[in-house]
Amino acid sequence: DAGITQSPRHKVTETGTPVTLRCHQTENHRYMYWYRQDPGHGLRLIHYSYGVKDTDKGEVSDGYSVSRSKTEDFLLTLESATSSQTSVYFCAISETGILNSPLHFGNGTRLTVT
Amino acid sequence: QKEVEQDPGPLSVPEGAIVSLNCTYSNSAFQYFMWYRQYSRKGPELLMYTYSSGNKEDGRFTAQVDKSSKYISLFIRDSQPSDSATYLCAMSAYSGAGSYQLTFGKGTKLSVIP
Repeated sequence: DAGITQSPRHKVTETGTPVTLRCHQTENHRYMYWYRQDPGHGLRLIHYSYGVKDTDKGEVSDGYSVSRSKTEDFLLTLESATSSQTSVYFCAISETGILNSPLHFGNGTRLTVT
Repeated sequence: QKEVEQDPGPLSVPEGAIVSLNCTYSNSAFQYFMWYRQYSRKGPELLMYTYSSGNKEDGRFTAQVDKSSKYISLFIRDSQPSDSATYLCAMSAYSGAGSYQLTFGKGTKLSVIP
């Protein structure tokens, strides 16, 4: 297994509260990604990072922010959680860019916003 | 037309059967093609990764890419109950201005019955 740890694994929170999900990798890969997976939509990219302090938006970035202060850690923050953000969130890493380097995924965080 | 189409199934086969999973795509710029396996409540796990048209074999798994038809397949020989999972296809392309895209199919749920 690729050395990716996501925490927490499960979280229930209330609408309007801030939530931070953590991804930690031990592979020293440059690229890290946050995806959400929903029935009927598949995997959708939220944000990604191509180095420490270097991040960019994906296709569903509204309502989310990210930070990467160390190579091994990539944080996803929901500033004010909404019910539409109930989902399973996956962190992924890749050695080089998304074009020619396959992604390796963590086991996900199941988030429920009530 | 969606960029990547994948029949969601579910697909149910008897143990020992040959399984064929397929994806079609519309973007001729896709260059790299992947298959992921996802067990329930786990992250996607990379199975196969190919670049060119043709076949690539790894044990009981064969990935086939036909760029002229914009069609990719994953064949599983001698299927086992442990192959029961959701299979996701994914493909990547350079999308211009230094950006790349990785697009996932929505997954096909496979059950192998003992």
